[in-house]
Amino acid sequence: AQTVTQSQPEMSVQEAETVTLSCTYDTSESDYYLFWYKQPPSRQMILVIRQEAYKQQNATENRFSVNFQKAAKSFSLKISDSQLGDAAMYFCAYRRWSGGYQKVTFGTGTKLQVIP
Amino acid sequence: NAGVMQNPRHLVRRRGQEARLRCSPMKGHSHVYWYRQLPEEGLKFMVYLQKENIIDESGMPKERFSAEFPKEGPSILRIQQVVRGDSAAYFCASSPLGSYSNQPQHFGDGTRLSIL
Repeated sequence: AQTVTQSQPEMSVQEAETVTLSCTYDTSESDYYLFWYKQPPSRQMILVIRQEAYKQQNATENRFSVNFQKAAKSFSLKISDSQLGDAAMYFCAYRRWSGGYQKVTFGTGTKLQVIP
Repeated sequence: NAGVMQNPRHLVRRRGQEARLRCSPMKGHSHVYWYRQLPEEGLKFMVYLQKENIIDESGMPKERFSAEFPKEGPSILRIQQVVRGDSAAYFCASSPLGSYSNQPQHFGDGTRLSIL
């Protein structure tokens, strides 16, 4: 079974600084997607960034980037120039195809605090 | 709003009552997924449905929980004889028709169920 591990229950960062959230996963598949979702206090699930496993190039979305290490099964999220609005729970997620549909496994989350 | 619509946003029930949660997928999406998020935890897969078919209910408790996605109307997650442990946020997600789509699941804002 696929598992996703986020070993940092809580992190904090100074406003304008950079923070890295870690995520590891376990799989025997070779074709899959990885995602980071943000969940603010409103509890919406907001897609931050995604990475296809077959792509070697790390995904980037504005201030958000990932460090994808396929062999190590590691998928960390880097937030640059942190802003107060970045404060939220961040969930790492792994998606594979099973029987023609998506199966998504989420990590337990990292709570990010941004200090003004 | 063409996104995934869930209602109600908040639902309060007394122990022993029934809870009915509704989800309308994004326009053009025919795959619906339900997830449960217990306090301080990540999202856990419950059930995957297509129109008039339950494809995978491996994450759904065997008793008291049921789901449907009729030909017309929203998907319904039904919890009978609710207990305190059912208190959680329930999220619905949808994805487009077609195997191996690279589109991620789109999430609704969730229904927060509170059991008194």
